[in-house]
Amino acid sequence: GQQVMQIPQYQHVQEGEDFTTYCNSSTTLSNIQWYKQRPGGHPVFLIQLVKSGEVKKQKRLTFQFGEAKKNSSLHITATQTTDVGTYFCAGGPLNNDMRFGAGTRLTVKP
Amino acid sequence: EADIYQTPRYLVIGTGKKITLECSQTMGHDKMYWYQQDPGMELHLIHYSYGVNSTEKGDLSSESTVSRIRTEHFPLTLESARPSHTSQYLCASSDGDRAPLHFGNGTRLTVT
Repeated sequence: GQQVMQIPQYQHVQEGEDFTTYCNSSTTLSNIQWYKQRPGGHPVFLIQLVKSGEVKKQKRLTFQFGEAKKNSSLHITATQTTDVGTYFCAGGPLNNDMRFGAGTRLTVKP
Repeated sequence: EADIYQTPRYLVIGTGKKITLECSQTMGHDKMYWYQQDPGMELHLIHYSYGVNSTEKGDLSSESTVSRIRTEHFPLTLESARPSHTSQYLCASSDGDRAPLHFGNGTRLTVT
């Protein structure tokens, strides 16, 4: 079935460093969503991108959707310990269900 | 905060038992989902529903069944629990095909 690939699987950073996770698909996506799951918690919706080349910002988080709508990225500037968790992308082609990427687990060393 | 509830929160059960995990939402969402997830790992779609009397199998065959008799209720049943079913089960709902998913707090199942 249709897959959404996400890398890296793990990322360990020093507090204050930047962090980026990437999401790729072999098929054109109608939209991409990003979720954050804190340790022991459930995924919480962060943002949705729909347009080709779209860029959205939430404070230190920057989300991008590729021009071909086949890839996306989430970039965190100057990580903080509160950023710890697993970040998931989810997407799918039109008229098909969305699938989640495998997630990127972020740990931040104070 | 989303109004989607899962019970029980934790469950320990012996092999071979039949169990039902409950999920209810008060948002009137048509789409509902069940995911299986080991802690912090990938989300595996088990079942989903487009609305009342609609159920579909997802990517993961987990020997489970679902029903959707009412919009707000989407229970998941394991006919015969096995240790391989030990995991967290997350229920979610959404207000349409491309709408954000709202997740419940999950049920942590342990099969001994």
